Amino acid sequence: KQEVTQIPAALSVPEGENLVLNCSFTDSAIYNLQWFRQDPGKGLTSLLLIQSSQREQTSGRLNASLDKSSGRSTLYIAASQPGDSATYLCAVKGNTPLVFGKGTRLSVIA
Amino acid sequence: ETGVTQTPRHLVMGMTNKKSLKCEQHLGHNAMYWYKQSAKKPLELMFVYNFKEQTENNSVPSRFSPECPNSSHLFLHLHTLQPEDSALYLCASSQGYRGQGNTIYFGEGSWLTVV
Repeated sequence: KQEVTQIPAALSVPEGENLVLNCSFTDSAIYNLQWFRQDPGKGLTSLLLIQSSQREQTSGRLNASLDKSSGRSTLYIAASQPGDSATYLCAVKGNTPLVFGKGTRLSVIA
Repeated sequence: ETGVTQTPRHLVMGMTNKKSLKCEQHLGHNAMYWYKQSAKKPLELMFVYNFKEQTENNSVPSRFSPECPNSSHLFLHLHTLQPEDSALYLCASSQGYRGQGNTIYFGEGSWLTVV
């Protein structure tokens, strides 16, 4: 059974800092991995989707990497801003619907 | 705006009430999902419908009853719920269900409080 773990559970950084969020998964037989953002009381917004054949994806200040063989992904956020404050969720998809981690709650302090 | 709309956004119900959550997607997708998000727990998949047929029921108690009349609409009927059922219920849709490349889109969620 696939399990997804996100470390750290919470993170607080000053504005402008670069940061890395970590995601690990137990079953490497995945089709893709997605990173989502969730603002308090809101639904999930997809940030990046990495196919299993890809190593990374970039969108603006966000860069996600995938090492399928080791079961790891990272989300790199450059030059963090207070507006980046949210919970970031990692989810993996095998031949079943998405399996989610518990998320990392990020606070960027102005 | 993700193309997935959920109503109501907030619902408070007693344990003996019957209520329903509604989800509508305007993306032309074939698969729709109900997820439950409780505090300090990962999102839990509840049900999956693909082409209006239920393909997954993740051991959900019978007090939750899904209905999918067509590929664009999904309901979650609620009856005799327990306080521990209080959570954010998220609807989602994707073009396909199994296989790769199917980006999933979520609604804003329905906050349910059972008193």
